[in-house]
Amino acid sequence: DTAVSQTPKYLVTQMGNDKSIKCEQNLGHDTMYWYKQDSKKFLKIMFSYNNKELIINETVPNRFSPKSPDKAHLNLHINSLELGDSAVYFCASSQDRVPGGNTEAFFGQGTRLTVV
Amino acid sequence: AQRVTQPEKLLSVFKGAPVELKCNYSYSGSPELFWYVQYSRQRLQLLLRHISRESIKGFTADLNKGETSFHLKKPFAQEEDSAMYYCALSPLNAGGTSYGKLTFGQGTILTVHP
Repeated sequence: DTAVSQTPKYLVTQMGNDKSIKCEQNLGHDTMYWYKQDSKKFLKIMFSYNNKELIINETVPNRFSPKSPDKAHLNLHINSLELGDSAVYFCASSQDRVPGGNTEAFFGQGTRLTVV
Repeated sequence: AQRVTQPEKLLSVFKGAPVELKCNYSYSGSPELFWYVQYSRQRLQLLLRHISRESIKGFTADLNKGETSFHLKKPFAQEEDSAMYYCALSPLNAGGTSYGKLTFGQGTILTVHP
């Protein structure tokens, strides 16, 4: 069973379109993240949710909106796509740290978004 | 706010040579530090955590709070170590818990030549 799964794996779309990337984790983790990996392989945090509550909202354009219908899902919706949005987007999940606990983050396989 | 810096974007060594991937961090409180690795065509995955104090695939990393560093070391590099390595930090609050703020460095591409 895949622990963190993202769909789709590849997404090619035209400028101006609206698209969504879905993420699901079956690990029972409390926290989920979205990261953007650009062409230089920089991995930047975009959003994080803890128990469906938004924890981090980095300086990301308003066109990006995360949605967490439940603790196991964190979807990313992008409006009015631009060329600069082309990147690989990674979803991840982790458990809250408690003494002796394991806070390892598990990643999805990534979604390669290409805006043309 | 926390910050993780990996000063080397690219690092090349020959097989059998020692390797050190540098990581420096800034955070006013107590952090938890990690190294993650991404092999070609594979997912990003945890390599090691500072609190585990373990050696994984021959790699070790020591948290130096005085120098705010968490460098990754291996005495004898292997070709299969070639990958992208990310240093990451998770801040801990006063109660020793953390959530939702795992931050990564820019990454270092390690290439081990035969």
